[in-house]
Amino acid sequence: DSGVTQTPKHLITATGQRVTLRCSPRSGDLSVYWYQQSLDQGLQFLIHYYNGEERAKGNILERFSAQQFPDLHSELNLSSLELGDSALYFCASSVRAGGNTGELFFGEGSRLTVL
Amino acid sequence: AQSVAQPEDQVNVAEGNPLTVKCTYSVSGNPYLFWYVQYPNRGLQFLLKYITGDNLVKGSYGFEAEFNKSQTSFHLKKPSALVSDSALYFCAVRDPNRDDKIIFGKGTRLHILP
Repeated sequence: DSGVTQTPKHLITATGQRVTLRCSPRSGDLSVYWYQQSLDQGLQFLIHYYNGEERAKGNILERFSAQQFPDLHSELNLSSLELGDSALYFCASSVRAGGNTGELFFGEGSRLTVL
Repeated sequence: AQSVAQPEDQVNVAEGNPLTVKCTYSVSGNPYLFWYVQYPNRGLQFLLKYITGDNLVKGSYGFEAEFNKSQTSFHLKKPSALVSDSALYFCAVRDPNRDDKIIFGKGTRLHILP
């Protein structure tokens, strides 16, 4: 158990809809990363938050947005969903206040299926 | 911009034989390098990392990796493969001068044949 919790584990929805994926990082971790994993694209970096502030954006679509709340949990919002958004979305946390050892701790992922 | 390449989509190794999973990277400064493993329907698990120091780093489950600065490589190795090593392996790089992103390779599927 990595200590990172993601909900929901599975989500099936229709094109055009909006969903919210939630991530609770390991206790004490300040950084949250979001990744999208699909068969043909591998693991794509979406966005990184540190202590509530956005630190970096990767290949994140404008239809997608994220935020990190004061309690350090994070949400990834996906809107106007398309078939191609079907993927496994991972959250990972890192960076405790005492120091950054670099490695990420991943949740089990949220599998999104868009029909 | 930093990048990672895993040139092999799949590697097949007989049980008991040594295995190597290749990774090359591109980063502007001195890299932090990582290997992760993903079992079916699970999140990624950290295996090992190179930050500084000895070029040969040892990690979980008997895996090790060798950092080669001149070849910009960080290949994952194990002296004797187990069937249970079959999984998807990811190499990742972080540019310590740009802490914001950790970039992953596309992954290499390792099949250990009994």
